[in-house]
Amino acid sequence: NAGVMQNPRHLVRRRGQEARLRCSPMKGHSHVYWYRQLPEEGLKFMVYLQKENIIDESGMPKERFSAEFPKEGPSILRIQQVVRGDSAAYFCASSPPFSAGGPDTQYFGPGTRLTVL
Amino acid sequence: AQSVTQPDIHITVSEGASLELRCNYSYGATPYLFWYVQSPGQGLQLLLKYFSGDTLVQGIKGFEAEFKRSQSSFNLRKPSVHWSDAAEYFCAVGGGSYIPTFGRGTSLIVHP
Repeated sequence: NAGVMQNPRHLVRRRGQEARLRCSPMKGHSHVYWYRQLPEEGLKFMVYLQKENIIDESGMPKERFSAEFPKEGPSILRIQQVVRGDSAAYFCASSPPFSAGGPDTQYFGPGTRLTVL
Repeated sequence: AQSVTQPDIHITVSEGASLELRCNYSYGATPYLFWYVQSPGQGLQLLLKYFSGDTLVQGIKGFEAEFKRSQSSFNLRKPSVHWSDAAEYFCAVGGGSYIPTFGRGTSLIVHP
């Protein structure tokens, strides 16, 4: 059973360009989460999606950032008109459908390291 | 609001020595607690988790953690550290929102 897959692993963009980060959850997982990690900091929650639905986007910046998880294909985190402050590691996690009694554990991908020149 | 504090930014131990990484949380009800490890350039791997039941939780790679409600703590321990344990360790707390909050992490350095 393959783990959570993210691509690309490294992405370099110039200021003003668009960045697209992809995440394929583990087989059987229907929940996807995106996090951002800045140097010397922990993970900051960005958005939680289920198939074709955004459940919680309270951690997403109001502008330039968007996320989707279509019925078919990977989840996409899209950053328009990137700025240097967007440089960070972006992690995707997935979890299976929730079971009674508590949240299921999140399984993390290897991350995409975005560098904005 | 839930929060996690990892008071130690860096911890240095000698190989073979015991280890304890501290984690304190703030949460209004019974929390769900997690420890993750992150090797350089990698994603996070789950070491162990606590949802309910026995307050001493065993995890992978010889790690264990103890939930102490009275101290709002969930410290991670290992009796004998190996050089391969050098990594960043993150404590996280979750609950009804299913969105865990992560601490800033503790960097473990292992001396030979």
